[in-house]
Amino acid sequence: DTGVSQDPRHKITKRGQNVTFRCDPISEHNRLYWYRQTLGQGPEFLTYFQNEAQLEKSRLLSDRFSAERPKGSFSTLEIQRTEQGDSAMYLCASSPPSGLYNEQFFGPGTRLTVL
Amino acid sequence: SQQGEEDPQALSIQEGENATMNCSYKTSINNLQWYRQNSGRGLVHLILIRSNEREKHSGRLRVTLDTSKKSSSLLITASRAADTASYFCATDAPGSQGNLIFGKGTKLSVKP
Repeated sequence: DTGVSQDPRHKITKRGQNVTFRCDPISEHNRLYWYRQTLGQGPEFLTYFQNEAQLEKSRLLSDRFSAERPKGSFSTLEIQRTEQGDSAMYLCASSPPSGLYNEQFFGPGTRLTVL
Repeated sequence: SQQGEEDPQALSIQEGENATMNCSYKTSINNLQWYRQNSGRGLVHLILIRSNEREKHSGRLRVTLDTSKKSSSLLITASRAADTASYFCATDAPGSQGNLIFGKGTKLSVKP
């Protein structure tokens, strides 16, 4: 399978705990995005990497959230001191080097439940 | 914040019928894309229409774009039960880093 993969698929944690999610993009894709999706809503942009550089962050990404892409390949998203409001589906997407047009390929998501 | 608004929020049709979903957005765009999401899964890219295009076809899908009205429509012809899913429009605005702004989606149910 050469698509975008995410791990874990499901995570249940207690409020206050830290969690880390991993995303492996399609190998030749240099662009990587993280989105968050709550029930009944569309995905909302969190952050964007081009290679290893984090080029854009949404104001949704509070200081409890941090994302890395150390070698320009896989990426991790860490949430510290989780809150119940962090419960959502976290989606990763990647896209190839391109000019203007930006089709993104999404992974299956990590569903986080904070108790 | 969400840029797009899909209409209707939910649509229920019989297999074989056509389904039309609409999307409105607020700012100028480079392109508009439609994605499908099966329950609890990731999104699948369906079709992309550029800001200088007015209509595009892909299989049973037809997308139109009216930049003067800031709106788009997605038509699925001869629907199948397997088309049951949520459909989202997403815009890629000029000056953005390529991050997509999604609407809230239309939940389509196709009954056999």
